[in-house]
Amino acid sequence: EDQVTQSPEALRLQEGESSSLNCSYTVSGLRGLFWYRQDPGKGPEFLFTLYSAGEEKEKERLKATLTKKESFLHITAPKPEDSATYLCAVQAVVQGAQKLVFGQGTRLTINP
Amino acid sequence: DSGVTQTPKHLITATGQRVTLRCSPRSGDLSVYWYQQSLDQGLQFLIQYYNGEERAKGNILERFSAQQFPDLHSELNLSSLELGDSALYFCASSVGRQVRKDGYTFGSGTRLTVV
Repeated sequence: EDQVTQSPEALRLQEGESSSLNCSYTVSGLRGLFWYRQDPGKGPEFLFTLYSAGEEKEKERLKATLTKKESFLHITAPKPEDSATYLCAVQAVVQGAQKLVFGQGTRLTINP
Repeated sequence: DSGVTQTPKHLITATGQRVTLRCSPRSGDLSVYWYQQSLDQGLQFLIQYYNGEERAKGNILERFSAQQFPDLHSELNLSSLELGDSALYFCASSVGRQVRKDGYTFGSGTRLTVV
């Protein structure tokens, strides 16, 4: 069964303190790994898609990387507005149809 | 605004009741996905419709059902509600049957509270 595990569950950082969030996955044939950001009371917002080991994507202070078994979301010099829950998902096939399987998320808090 | 509209935003109802959640997908999107998000379960896939036809089922209870109408809006019906059904219900949409490189576009959700 396709599974996604994210760690840590929660992370508190000071403004400017860089860190990484982890997403490990087991899937029969990775077709795509997705990162989303979710703010309280809102729906997930798409950030990145990664398809193959070694691939990297960047957006402002965020950089996502992918290996054969896990993905990392690196946050460089974060600001308070980066506080959110970050969700990782893998593209899986169910009954011949593709869907996204999500991890539990990492709740990130950036203190000023 | 993501372009995916969900109504109502909040719903409070009693155990045993039935409710209907509504979703209008982003213009041009033919697929609609329903997800349930609770504190202990994360985002769980319920069901997918593509152009009016059921495409895939996930962990959807028999008490729950959904449909997609000719105008592509979708409704999720939850019946015989239990306290454990309290959660955020999200609708997402995409252009085709399969997941594309930009994933899904999510609505802002309906918060269901069963008392």
